[in-house]
Amino acid sequence: GQNIDQPTEMTATEGAIVQINCTYQTSGFNGLFWYQQHAGEAPTFLSYNVLDGLEEKGRFSSFLSRSKGYSYLLLKELQMKDSASYLCAVWDSNYQLIWGAGTKLIIKP
Amino acid sequence: KAGVTQTPRYLIKTRGQQVTLSCSPISGHRSVSWYQQTPGQGLQFLFEYFSETQRNKGNFPGRFSGRQFSNSRSEMNVSTLELGDSALYLCASSDGQGDTDTQYFGPGTRLTVL
Repeated sequence: GQNIDQPTEMTATEGAIVQINCTYQTSGFNGLFWYQQHAGEAPTFLSYNVLDGLEEKGRFSSFLSRSKGYSYLLLKELQMKDSASYLCAVWDSNYQLIWGAGTKLIIKP
Repeated sequence: KAGVTQTPRYLIKTRGQQVTLSCSPISGHRSVSWYQQTPGQGLQFLFEYFSETQRNKGNFPGRFSGRQFSNSRSEMNVSTLELGDSALYLCASSDGQGDTDTQYFGPGTRLTVL
């Protein structure tokens, strides 16, 4: 079967750094997405990785290791508005998106 | 460009009824995907339509069906509603081609089945 694992919940402090991990076992791989979803709102696109390595975009970075079936999302200089769920999704060999259950990130002052 | 729109935003139905949800994609996008989201379950893929054809399908029963019109607008229908169908239904549009094909989500329709 296809599976994506993320921690259910994480807590971090405003101004700090947090790393949200995602591991996957899928039928093939055509890319990995990270989305942010605030409570009661739609998911919004954060990043896309298809090659190994780190992609940096402002305070957010995403890393991929295809050989390990592993990705992480790194959030720096945390702000209260970063409190949200972070969803990891993988494109399988049929270009179907397989989604993780999401990681709820709680930011404390 | 206007974003993805979904109607209605909220819906209350009773068991056994049927429901139709609508999604209008971003102008120029030809692909529309539908998802069911429940607490703790994450996004469950229902189906994807591209140029009026179902291109991909998830593992949902036949009570869940959809279609796409020539203007790329899409509808999803659920017949014989069950309590377990209560969820947030999201649609996402993309251009359906290319390597990245980022999906952009609508605000969702929250369906409550009583």
